[in-house]
Amino acid sequence: EPEVTQTPSHQVTQMGQEVILRCVPISNHLYFYWYRQILGQKVEFLVSFYNNEISEKSEIFDDQFSVERPDGSNFTLKIRSTKLEDSAMYFCASSEGGGPGDTQYFGPGTRLTVL
Amino acid sequence: AQSVTQLDSQVPVFEEAPVELRCNYSSSVSVYLFWYVQYPNQGLQLLLKYLSGSTLVESINGFEAEFNKSQTSFHLRKPSVHISDTAEYFCALSTGGGNKLTFGTGTQLKVEL
Repeated sequence: EPEVTQTPSHQVTQMGQEVILRCVPISNHLYFYWYRQILGQKVEFLVSFYNNEISEKSEIFDDQFSVERPDGSNFTLKIRSTKLEDSAMYFCASSEGGGPGDTQYFGPGTRLTVL
Repeated sequence: AQSVTQLDSQVPVFEEAPVELRCNYSSSVSVYLFWYVQYPNQGLQLLLKYLSGSTLVESINGFEAEFNKSQTSFHLRKPSVHISDTAEYFCALSTGGGNKLTFGTGTQLKVEL
């Protein structure tokens, strides 16, 4: 069964450093998403992406964040200058359609620790 | 703005006992409701979803959830749990305004022998 994969599973970085989290969505999916979960808190939507453009983003997704689909298979989230409060589990998801009822398929997550 | 509340952070239950995981939501517009399950070291997997029609929806592994508009709830139930059901369960919603999911904080279901 096709699945969303994410690398690395755990990333440790120093405050102020740039990090890139990588995701490989399911191959025939057209819509891509990033969510994050700070320990003990809710899973929060960050951004959705379609046709090489951001279709929606949350207030969390400020200028420090960017997303890119550099090739036909990868979808990346970049944090330019990490802060302590960026420590969280980051989930990538993809869906075939972009409607509110379309199922989003999630990857296992990348745990980001900012020291 | 919409929100999802899962009041129970942990639910311990013995194997073969029934279980209910509670989910309440708040929204001023129509919603689509989802339950996702996360097993250790895996991604969130869709368990079931309510889009429209019958208010009772079922999953392939015996879970069911009922959409109750008057009580703004979408509780998840299983009449007899198995050890393999031990996982974290997330309730989520989306609205017609977009396809982002709004999640609750999750409920850790621990099934004991």
